[in-house]
Amino acid sequence: EDKVVQSPLSLVVHEGDTVTLNCSYEVTNFRSLLWYKQEKKAPTFLFMLTSSGIEKKSGRLSSILDKKELFSILNITATQTGDSAIYLCAVEARGGSQGNLIFGKGTKLSVKP
Amino acid sequence: ETGVTQSPTHLIKTRGQQVTLRCSSQSGHNTVSWYQQALGQGPQFIFQYYREEENGRGNFPPRFSGLQFPNYSSELNVNALELDDSALYLCAIFSDGKRNTGELFFGEGSRLTVL
Repeated sequence: EDKVVQSPLSLVVHEGDTVTLNCSYEVTNFRSLLWYKQEKKAPTFLFMLTSSGIEKKSGRLSSILDKKELFSILNITATQTGDSAIYLCAVEARGGSQGNLIFGKGTKLSVKP
Repeated sequence: ETGVTQSPTHLIKTRGQQVTLRCSSQSGHNTVSWYQQALGQGPQFIFQYYREEENGRGNFPPRFSGLQFPNYSSELNVNALELDDSALYLCAIFSDGKRNTGELFFGEGSRLTVL
């Protein structure tokens, strides 16, 4: 059964800290791994990763994929209170209907001032 | 602002009732996916519609059904509601020109409470 496991499930840090969120997966015919940020309701897209070892970066956020070890990490440097959210990891498999993403439970990040 | 609009935003139903949730997008995307997100869980794929036909389904019973209209708006219908159907229901479309990726834009969701 395809699955995505995220850790930790929750995390509390102080502003300025650096955090690393983990995502491991088991999926048949892997196509891509995606990270989303969910603050209130609508998850918003952060990154899509398809190749191992290539870092994607956007401001203070970065992510990398290891297809051999079947995991990805999301790093956030110099955290701000606005980074408080649930971070969702999802994978897409080839052969399934496009738009069928398998999500993990998410990591709830709380950044204290 | 993703341009994906869902209605209603909140609703309360009782067990056994039926509910219809709606989704539309500004640009009329021809592919729409529906997800259920229970409290403390990640979103779970319900089904997808492409050009008015169901194009993939997750592990949900037949009482979850959908429609897509010629203007590409969509409905999710749930019959015989159960307490466990209480969740946030999310509609998602592909960002422009990216149907061959998993990069979905989500609406704000409809929060359903079943009493």
